[in-house]
Amino acid sequence: AQSVSQHNHHVILSEAASLELGCNYSYGGTVNLFWYVQYPGQHLQLLLKYFSGDPLVKGIKGFEAEFIKSKFSFNLRKPSVQWSDTAEYFCAVIPWNNAGNMLTFGGGTRLMVKP
Amino acid sequence: NAGVTQTPKFQVLKTGQSMTLQCAQDMNHEYMSWYRQDPGMGLRLIHYSVGAGITDQGEVPNGYNVSRSTTEDFPLRLLSAAPSQTSVYFCASSYLQGAVEGYTFGSGTRLTVV
Repeated sequence: AQSVSQHNHHVILSEAASLELGCNYSYGGTVNLFWYVQYPGQHLQLLLKYFSGDPLVKGIKGFEAEFIKSKFSFNLRKPSVQWSDTAEYFCAVIPWNNAGNMLTFGGGTRLMVKP
Repeated sequence: NAGVTQTPKFQVLKTGQSMTLQCAQDMNHEYMSWYRQDPGMGLRLIHYSVGAGITDQGEVPNGYNVSRSTTEDFPLRLLSAAPSQTSVYFCASSYLQGAVEGYTFGSGTRLTVV
């Protein structure tokens, strides 16, 4: 079955530190990839997405992610985090297959940025 | 504002009670779905619908029923609540299943079953 793994469950950083959150998926075919962010007490919002073309995608608020097909990875990065980036981050995948193209989420990574 | 509206925001149920979580969207999206969010497990798909009159099971459908009589509404029913159903529930929609734009999520319903 399709699965999505996020390696870090909790990350604590100081402001201005660089961020990289790992995401790996298990499906070998064509995929669409997403990162969602959930700020405390709020619903999920789309941060960025990849479906084709340049494997380095840029999202909102200075985030970017790189799709490395050979590694089945879609890691999220930000060069300098801010206190307002404190949130939970979810990687998600839609595999293009005959099983319904379902959006599957990783377990999430809680990021805390210390001021 | 256009979007996905969920009600109620909070609910406490006793074991064995039934209730319906409401979800409505005004974006004319064909695809709607229900997820539950549990710590460390991300979001897991409960049920989904690709259009009015069509529903199907997701990863964790047991204990839940859905129906889709209109394009706008996709209620989730708990027939006999159990403590294992304590969770945060999110409704999501998109113009079609697997849309590359991603899904639009509601603000969630926090359910506690005692």
